Amino acid sequence: LAKTTQPISMDSYEGQEVNITCSHNNIATNDYITWYQQFPSQGPRFIIQGYKTKVTNEVASLFIPADRKSSTLSLPRVSLSDTAVYYCLVGDPPEYGNKLVFGAGTILRVKS
Amino acid sequence: GAVVSQHPSRVICKSGTSVKIECRSLDFQATTMFWYRQFPKQSLMLMATSNEGSKATYEQGVEKDKFLINHASLTLSTLTVTSAHPEDSSFYICSARNPKGTSEKLFFGSGTQLSVL
Repeated sequence: LAKTTQPISMDSYEGQEVNITCSHNNIATNDYITWYQQFPSQGPRFIIQGYKTKVTNEVASLFIPADRKSSTLSLPRVSLSDTAVYYCLVGDPPEYGNKLVFGAGTILRVKS
Repeated sequence: GAVVSQHPSRVICKSGTSVKIECRSLDFQATTMFWYRQFPKQSLMLMATSNEGSKATYEQGVEKDKFLINHASLTLSTLTVTSAHPEDSSFYICSARNPKGTSEKLFFGSGTQLSVL
């Protein structure tokens, strides 16, 4: 499984756009990139998943360059409730029943 | 989205007792479930992969006899921590794969905080 590297922590203010970048230099051809959010004492929650270029949903955007060696999760206009740990995972396509291995994650602190 | 229910959410037990944690997929059939543990301020660590009707596959370093996993039906997997000791105190999280999901295939339970006295 490809190893991922993320910043340990980031600080932001309410209303700002937050971009969290994840490096995955050893990503395999078939690997997808998935981001999860976790609040204290809760299970992770799916945010977004992509394979290449750009993916957008109602909560975030995921930017993946052509070489796919990194990806950036973009959270528009964050609020205090977005304070959480964000994990970038790389693994098999969803239909394979992927075994997800979590890295250290990024602690995002949103301040007022 | 699909719902995974995990019970209990919190359990306190005496050292030497066994604790069972249940993980249920409420609105889909999960042929594969995963069990994780998480220590404070650390990431999730995969313990084992549970496949319905077969033996679980444990990650390296996880004791099979200590952490018994049973996946007897397509909607239920259980993790039993046998003869629990204080070092087993942790946050345990299950996840279930929904093969019919779209971009989101894996759904997580809300976790179980185990405290062994």
